[in-house]
Amino acid sequence: KQEVTQIPAALSVPEGENLVLNCSFTDSAIYNLQWFRQDPGKGLTSLLLIQSSQREQTSGRLNASLDKSSGRSTLYIAASQPGDSATYLCAVMGSGGSNYKLTFGKGTLLTVNP
Amino acid sequence: SAVISQKPSRDICQRGTSLTIQCQVDSQVTMMFWYRQQPGQSLTLIATANQGSEATYESGFVIDKFPISRPNLTFSTLTVSNMSPEDSSIYLCSVHPTGGQTGELFFGEGSRLTVL
Repeated sequence: KQEVTQIPAALSVPEGENLVLNCSFTDSAIYNLQWFRQDPGKGLTSLLLIQSSQREQTSGRLNASLDKSSGRSTLYIAASQPGDSATYLCAVMGSGGSNYKLTFGKGTLLTVNP
Repeated sequence: SAVISQKPSRDICQRGTSLTIQCQVDSQVTMMFWYRQQPGQSLTLIATANQGSEATYESGFVIDKFPISRPNLTFSTLTVSNMSPEDSSIYLCSVHPTGGQTGELFFGEGSRLTVL
């Protein structure tokens, strides 16, 4: 059974800092990995998707990497802003992708202080 | 991508009652899913809503408690039946766009349910 762990559970940084969020998964047979953002009491916004054959994806100040063999992904946020404050969720989709089921971590609660 | 609307966005309900949550998508989608997020927990898949047939439920979830309808390719409902305080959660609808090759899923804004 796939398990996804995110470290740290919470992170507080001053504005402008670069930071890294970590995600690990127990079964390396994945189809893809997605990073989401969730604001308090809200739904999920898709940030980045990495296919199992890819090593990284970039969008603006965000960069996500994937090391499938070691079961790890990182989300790098450059020059953090108070508006980046949210919970960041990592989710993996099982290999084959035929059922499109995602297994989620519990998330990292990020607070960026002005 | 897909634009997903959920109703209600939030509700406060009494123990023993039932509530139906609606999910409307702006385009036809093959796959629709319902997730639950209990306070402080990660998202858990409840079921896959299949168009024209019964939903496929994950371990620990049953049709009597969470009946699901999927009358067409753009709409689904999830009912939370005979609610108890343990059902207080955010319920999220998710879709995989038809023809999508990447496996990327999109989520609605969620329905925040509080059971007293």
